[in-house]
Amino acid sequence: DAGVIQSPRHEVTEMGQEVTLRCKPISGHDYLFWYRQTMMRGLELLIYFNNNVPIDDSGMPEDRFSAKMPNASFSTLKIQPSEPRDSAVYFCASSRGLHNEQFFGPGTRLTVL
Amino acid sequence: EDQVTQSPEALRLQEGESSSLNCSYTVSGLRGLFWYRQDPGKGPEFLFTLYSAGEEKEKERLKATLTKKESFLHITAPKPEDSATYLCAVGMRFGAGTRLTVKP
Repeated sequence: DAGVIQSPRHEVTEMGQEVTLRCKPISGHDYLFWYRQTMMRGLELLIYFNNNVPIDDSGMPEDRFSAKMPNASFSTLKIQPSEPRDSAVYFCASSRGLHNEQFFGPGTRLTVL
Repeated sequence: EDQVTQSPEALRLQEGESSSLNCSYTVSGLRGLFWYRQDPGKGPEFLFTLYSAGEEKEKERLKATLTKKESFLHITAPKPEDSATYLCAVGMRFGAGTRLTVKP
């Protein structure tokens, strides 16, 4: 298995632009998670899905952030409009079951100028 | 609210110098405590899951233990390749991590 796939690996954009991050989970996993990692706040859960349905989005910082999972093989995290404080590494992870180990992708390093 | 606290923030060891990393937690109903390793520029990589007090898991030079309030990651005779950040998680809440450096 190729593991969790994320794209792009790096994204540099200007304030106000729309940013879309993409994730392909491991086949057969029924949970998908989006995290954000910064030096100041560590690794924080943004949202997670079960069988493509959003379950808890309480970690999404504000309405500028949205996430979708149109099918079991694909999810997106969108930021519109982006701001410099959104600069971070965004990770996607998937698991088989909610209380089992998560498998993380390589992350997308986002820089908003 | 669930809390996960790791200590120390950073640890520098000489090769072969054994030590332990701590993860203390407060949670209503533990459904698994997880240890991950994260190398620079990569995503966290799963190491262990512990579910009940008294449980222990081992992998090469690493051993994880669990009590009702904390977990320890023991590193025996570490090597430079063990240098990484070690993250502890309860559910989807992660600690800040311990950055381990092992000098040859």
